[in-house]
Amino acid sequence: QKEVEQDPGPLSVPEGAIVSLNCTYSNSAFQYFMWYRQYSRKGPELLMYTYSSGNKEDGRFTAQVDKSSKYISLFIRDSQPSDSATYLCAMSLNTGFQKLVFGTGTRLLVSP
Amino acid sequence: DARVTQTPRHKVTEMGQEVTMRCQPILGHNTVFWYRQTMMQGLELLAYFRNRAPLDDSGMPKDRFSAEMPDATLATLKIQPSEPRDSAVYFCASGLGMGSTGELFFGEGSRLTVL
Repeated sequence: QKEVEQDPGPLSVPEGAIVSLNCTYSNSAFQYFMWYRQYSRKGPELLMYTYSSGNKEDGRFTAQVDKSSKYISLFIRDSQPSDSATYLCAMSLNTGFQKLVFGTGTRLLVSP
Repeated sequence: DARVTQTPRHKVTEMGQEVTMRCQPILGHNTVFWYRQTMMQGLELLAYFRNRAPLDDSGMPKDRFSAEMPDATLATLKIQPSEPRDSAVYFCASGLGMGSTGELFFGEGSRLTVL
């Protein structure tokens, strides 16, 4: 069993929909949780970063961490075709360590 | 425009050949990572360096892979001999290490096909 599990998708939604992307993990020692976005044939780019449990909002994006359930989510409101990409969750034991464990990624397709 | 630069972007080679991938991290970043990405396994950490010293290469097949950082501006990943199962996209990433947000900056990857 992988340390971080993520549904590979693809997830297809119409423009304007609310998107929910999720990851589960097994190591309760993870403290830092990130979402990276990867466009086709590009490297991943950091989208959201949260520490421990709770919510963090940035524009149309909300990251949610539930450490008790070992479950993290990324919500995208008013999804746009430009949001079409692969979304990878990542987590680490501490920030300075930077040794990230990634999920396999969920491919999102937003149709106009 | 600070970015991680990887070469080559694409490489097609035959089984048994040596492959060398190069990475120029962002100036001032002291941690460098090599990841391999496949559809089935996603992003797997192969090795990483802090201040040019190798800290962890447990994800790397030791018999054929080697990673080095001869200076602060160059990291290399070598496969010798290459095998078809090595076909993947290899990413280099760099970061600031302790005291930073932990963000990693990725290059655009080296797409390797071993026939």
